[in-house]
Amino acid sequence: GQNIDQPTEMTATEGAIVQINCTYQTSGFNGLFWYQQHAGEAPTFLSYNVLDGLEEKGRFSSFLSRSKGYSYLLLKELQMKDSASYLCAVSLMDSNYQLIWGAGTKLIIKP
Amino acid sequence: ETGVTQTPRHLVMGMTNKKSLKCEQHLGHNAMYWYKQSAKKPLELMFVYSLEERVENNSVPSRFSPECPNSSHLFLHLHTLQPEDSALYLCASSQGTGWETQYFGPGTRLLVL
Repeated sequence: GQNIDQPTEMTATEGAIVQINCTYQTSGFNGLFWYQQHAGEAPTFLSYNVLDGLEEKGRFSSFLSRSKGYSYLLLKELQMKDSASYLCAVSLMDSNYQLIWGAGTKLIIKP
Repeated sequence: ETGVTQTPRHLVMGMTNKKSLKCEQHLGHNAMYWYKQSAKKPLELMFVYSLEERVENNSVPSRFSPECPNSSHLFLHLHTLQPEDSALYLCASSQGTGWETQYFGPGTRLLVL
């Protein structure tokens, strides 16, 4: 079957660094999305990784290892506004529109 | 603001009511989606439309009925819902139905009594 695992909740301190992991077991993996969702708001796109390695976008970076079925989202210089849920989702080779979603990681930032 | 709007934002309905959720995208996209989001569960894809044609129906109960009159508008008609249908209903759009980034609306928080 298709499965994605991510921690339910994490806590970090303002100004620090946090890494949110996502592991997947899927057939026909194509790529992996990360979305951010603030409470009561729409999920918004953060990154899409297809190739192995680290991609950096400002304070946020996303890493993918296809051989290990593993990705992480790295958030640096944490700000209070980074408190949100972070969703990872896998796109599959044999489906143009069906994404396999994780349940999301709720990140709590403390002063 | 993602360019996808949804109304109403909140809805309370009884099990015998009929209501409709509306989604509109201002991005010129060709594909639109309905998702159900329940607490601590992964997003569940309900329906996908590409160029106003339904291309996916993920074994959704018939009490949910989608309608896509044009590529900018998507509706979800609700009737005789159950309390377990209470959830956040998210609409999304993408340029195509390839592995495209999906842009989400803020959702309708539905409570079925």
